[in-house]
Amino acid sequence: KNEVEQSPQNLTAQEGEFITINCSYSVGISALHWLQQHPGGGIVSLFMLSSGKKKHGRLIATINIQEKHSSLHITASHPRDSAVYICAVSEETSGSRLTFGEGTQLTVNP
Amino acid sequence: NAGVMQNPRHLVRRRGQEARLRCSPVKGHSHVYWYRQLPEEGLKFMVYLQKENIIDESGMPKERFSAEFPKEGPSILRIQQVVRGDSAAYFCASSPRASLSYGYTFGSGTRLTVV
Repeated sequence: KNEVEQSPQNLTAQEGEFITINCSYSVGISALHWLQQHPGGGIVSLFMLSSGKKKHGRLIATINIQEKHSSLHITASHPRDSAVYICAVSEETSGSRLTFGEGTQLTVNP
Repeated sequence: NAGVMQNPRHLVRRRGQEARLRCSPVKGHSHVYWYRQLPEEGLKFMVYLQKENIIDESGMPKERFSAEFPKEGPSILRIQQVVRGDSAAYFCASSPRASLSYGYTFGSGTRLTVV
């Protein structure tokens, strides 16, 4: 079992839909990270959070430390949101290294 | 204010050759991390370096792989005698401090193809 599990693996939505991507982890963490990876492109950090909720534009990330679960929400989705969304954790015991989920491939159709 | 610069973007090597991947961190960042993304797989940690020091190499294969971050110049990930299974995207990230809480930046990656 992976230390970081994401669901769904693939997600197709229509433009304007509300999207949720889930992440569960099984280790003690110092922070949870949401990253975005475009095809053939680099990786962008979207959020880093250790408690509560953060919002940036149409993106919202939440974390429940007790349940070891985080969600990434996209409101009013747009085709340009199509990308792979990756959940990662900084483990308490391993310092700065990140442990990644497998990623969620999101496709938003016009 | 350039971000993390990785070069080359694409690298093709024949089996048995050496591959050298370069990573220039954000100016002022002294912490570098290398990650590998195999085809159809998630990212995996390889090595964490500070200037002139390897801090954590627990994700590095035991043979053929080495990394350095000299006092001057970019960080180098070296793969000797490449095999087809080394074909992957290699990403570098840098941060200003040991804790990622102070922020970090990823490069665009080097896509290595071994033929």
